[in-house]
Amino acid sequence: DQQVKQNSPSLSVQEGRISILNCDYTNSMFDYFLWYKKYPAEGPTFLISISSIKDKNEDGRFTVFLNKSAKHLSLHIVPSQPGDSAVYFCAASGYGGSQGNLIFGKGTKLSVKP
Amino acid sequence: DAGITQSPRYKITETGRQVTLMCHQTWSHSYMFWYRQDLGHGLRLIYYSAAADITDKGEVPDGYVVSRSKTENFPLTLESATRSQTSVYFCASSVREGEQYFGPGTRLTVT
Repeated sequence: DQQVKQNSPSLSVQEGRISILNCDYTNSMFDYFLWYKKYPAEGPTFLISISSIKDKNEDGRFTVFLNKSAKHLSLHIVPSQPGDSAVYFCAASGYGGSQGNLIFGKGTKLSVKP
Repeated sequence: DAGITQSPRYKITETGRQVTLMCHQTWSHSYMFWYRQDLGHGLRLIYYSAAADITDKGEVPDGYVVSRSKTENFPLTLESATRSQTSVYFCASSVREGEQYFGPGTRLTVT
């Protein structure tokens, strides 16, 4: 059963508007969450992370929100740019002494239209 | 150049053949990982290593073998390739729990 879920396979947004990508998790042992961005034919690149002791982390146009009671996190991109078009993966870690393992969602493909 | 590299970038092999995918990192990161990416599955962990000579299974280890005799190298071997192992393989490394740095990937096709 999936422990990290990204229920929207794709999202289309107009340039300049806000992009909101969602992620749900089931394991309450997760205590660190990350977002990765992936362009075609490249490896995923780290975007932003958040610890479970926080509910928000901001880095430029990217903000991640964590709602522990709902086991939900979201990535906000404001304003969205065409170069943001990529697949975004949500990931979580911290369960069962995994020594650094990440559990990834299936990804959401974001398309930002000019 | 510093970073994490994978070779080959593309590989076509036949069913039953042994094939080894190479991964090399120059950061001296302790942790290294192998993932496969398949449509509808996202990234799934095959094997990981916390340090040289220490490896452990991930979510989908069957049919794969790893070794880590040196900190900087983490080869992945398919002992007898099957069509179900056609995938894109990513190697990653990290200093500690959390943030991992990925290589560019190897696209493997098993015919």
